[in-house]
Amino acid sequence: NAGVTQTPKFQVLKTGQSMTLQCAQDMNHEYMSWYRQDPGMGLRLIHYSVGAGITDQGEVPNGYNVSRSTTEDFPLRLLSAAPSQTSVYFCASSYRDMNTEAFFGQGTRLTVV
Amino acid sequence: TQLLEQSPQFLSIQEGENLTVYCNSSSVFSSLQWYRQEPGEGPVLLVTVVTGGEVKKLKRLTFQFGDARKDSSLHITAAQPGDTGLYLCAGARGNNRLAFGKGNQVVVIP
Repeated sequence: NAGVTQTPKFQVLKTGQSMTLQCAQDMNHEYMSWYRQDPGMGLRLIHYSVGAGITDQGEVPNGYNVSRSTTEDFPLRLLSAAPSQTSVYFCASSYRDMNTEAFFGQGTRLTVV
Repeated sequence: TQLLEQSPQFLSIQEGENLTVYCNSSSVFSSLQWYRQEPGEGPVLLVTVVTGGEVKKLKRLTFQFGDARKDSSLHITAAQPGDTGLYLCAGARGNNRLAFGKGNQVVVIP
């Protein structure tokens, strides 16, 4: 099993560009989430999903969109990139909910210039 | 406002020494998880504690959940260079959200 796969691993964007960070899991997990990790800030929840067709906002959702059309995939869209969105992004999945183990992808390092 | 406060933020010790790091909050959690993260990688779960006062051991690592389910500690006995990493605590509130602390960066010098 591949676990949680994130693509790309690295990306440089210009201010104002849009892009989608991909996340896929092959463990049939219901719960998926996106975090950003910044120096001195820890991991902050952007959006999460408790199942296909259901998404909700985390603590820092502005500037990001998500959708969950299948159990396996949970893409994160940056609508108009800003330098403040320079960060490392992690996707995670859990079998049932956040009381169960979260499996993380390897991260996407995004730089917005 | 950080929901989970981890201390110390940075700790450097010699191989063979013991260390304890802390994760504190004013909120009650249904469970608390400890992860370790290495550079360029995602966090990996070490342990989940659920019951107040619970103690779990993972080889040389001992995890304790506070009686009131608001805080936790991680104790490493006879630290080894392989224990170097960023230790993250994460608290689950209800079923839908996991809040992370900023982490304890531990460096074990050979």
